[in-house]
Amino acid sequence: EPEVTQTPSHQVTQMGQEVILRCVPISNHLYFYWYRQILGQKVEFLVSFYNNEISEKSEIFDDQFSVERPDGSNFTLKIRSTKLEDSAMYFCASSAGGGSEKLFFGSGTQLSVL
Amino acid sequence: AQSVAQPEDQVKVAEGNPLTVKCTYSVSGNPYLFWYVQYPNRGLQFLLKYITGDNLVKGSYGFEAEFNKSQTSFHLKKPSALVSDSALYFCAVRDPNDYKLSFGAGTTVTVRA
Repeated sequence: EPEVTQTPSHQVTQMGQEVILRCVPISNHLYFYWYRQILGQKVEFLVSFYNNEISEKSEIFDDQFSVERPDGSNFTLKIRSTKLEDSAMYFCASSAGGGSEKLFFGSGTQLSVL
Repeated sequence: AQSVAQPEDQVKVAEGNPLTVKCTYSVSGNPYLFWYVQYPNRGLQFLLKYITGDNLVKGSYGFEAEFNKSQTSFHLKKPSALVSDSALYFCAVRDPNDYKLSFGAGTTVTVRA
């Protein structure tokens, strides 16, 4: 089965530093997402991206966050100035369509902000 | 606003016994409902979904789920659990007018040999 790949698997950074989390969605998919899971808590929606623009975002996705699809294959999440509370597992996902289509998730990037 | 509740943090069953993981939802309109499973150090894997039609949907690894509109529930079931079914299970809902998928808090299933 095709896979969503995420790099790195672990990222450690200092508070206030910028981080970029990278994802390669499934090649023919059109919808892209970022979710995060703080340890012991539920999986939370951050943002969805379609047709080269953000289609929906949550209140978590403030000005410190941005997404980009720079080259037609990668999908990145940038956190400009990391905070301690940004420590979480970040999951990228993609789907062939919206609505009833299932999402395919990557294995995640564990971000630790020190 | 859409939301999902999984009332049980943990479910423990013996191998060979039936397994049920409960889920209730809240959404305006007709929902799209999903179950995902997460094994340690892995991403979420799709199990099954309900869109419309037959209230009983069958999915991967022998799992099935029953949509009950009057009770706004979508419980996951497996007639005979395996030790390898031990994992974290997430119910999710999507309003057809939204892009986001909203997840429940997850239920840890432990199947003992």
